[in-house]
Amino acid sequence: DVKVTQSSRYLVKRTGEKVFLECVQDMDHENMFWYRQDPGLGLRLIYFSYDVKMKEKGDIPEGYSVSREKKERFSLILESASTNQTSMYLCASSRGPDTQYFGPGTRLTVL
Amino acid sequence: AQSVTQLDSQVPVFEEAPVELRCNYSSSVSVYLFWYVQYPNQGLQLLLKYLSGSTLVKGINGFEAEFNKSQTSFHLRKPSVHISDTAEYFCAVTSWGSSASKIIFGSGTRLSIRP
Repeated sequence: DVKVTQSSRYLVKRTGEKVFLECVQDMDHENMFWYRQDPGLGLRLIYFSYDVKMKEKGDIPEGYSVSREKKERFSLILESASTNQTSMYLCASSRGPDTQYFGPGTRLTVL
Repeated sequence: AQSVTQLDSQVPVFEEAPVELRCNYSSSVSVYLFWYVQYPNQGLQLLLKYLSGSTLVKGINGFEAEFNKSQTSFHLRKPSVHISDTAEYFCAVTSWGSSASKIIFGSGTRLSIRP
């Protein structure tokens, strides 16, 4: 059974903290994605990666960075968390343009 | 550029009634189309997809969708809904030959089932 796991389901951080969200997939997929999901806005792409050490900006990359040192792992970094980054963060992976497989999500609250 | 429009943000339906969730897309190239479902407090999972072939696609949990190229639509249907179908549904599109394999998601339709 395919699996995408995210390091935390719920996370509470303070303004200005550095935050790491980790995502791991076990399907040997070349593509990995980070989205944020907010009510009424659907899913918005933050960053994606199509290979190890490769990354491309999505629609809302400001305030975020990513790291992909190994094929199975894709990390999202909030360099200095702000309250407007309170959201649900979803990681996904895929092979080519086919189905994306999603993790359970991390609900991040920044106080 | 591609885009996806889900025309209804919320759809209330009585249990055992039929339902249609509407999705229109725009793209200048050939597309792959998807419907994903998100149950409360979970990530998204694939409901069904159209890659090629028959325009009527059947998915899990009794859902089906029809690809209509002339109307650029990919509406989702179920003849009789159950309480367990309460969820948010996302239509998505990506294009053939997309090297980066980005998917564009609609804003979602929240399906609520009344007993």
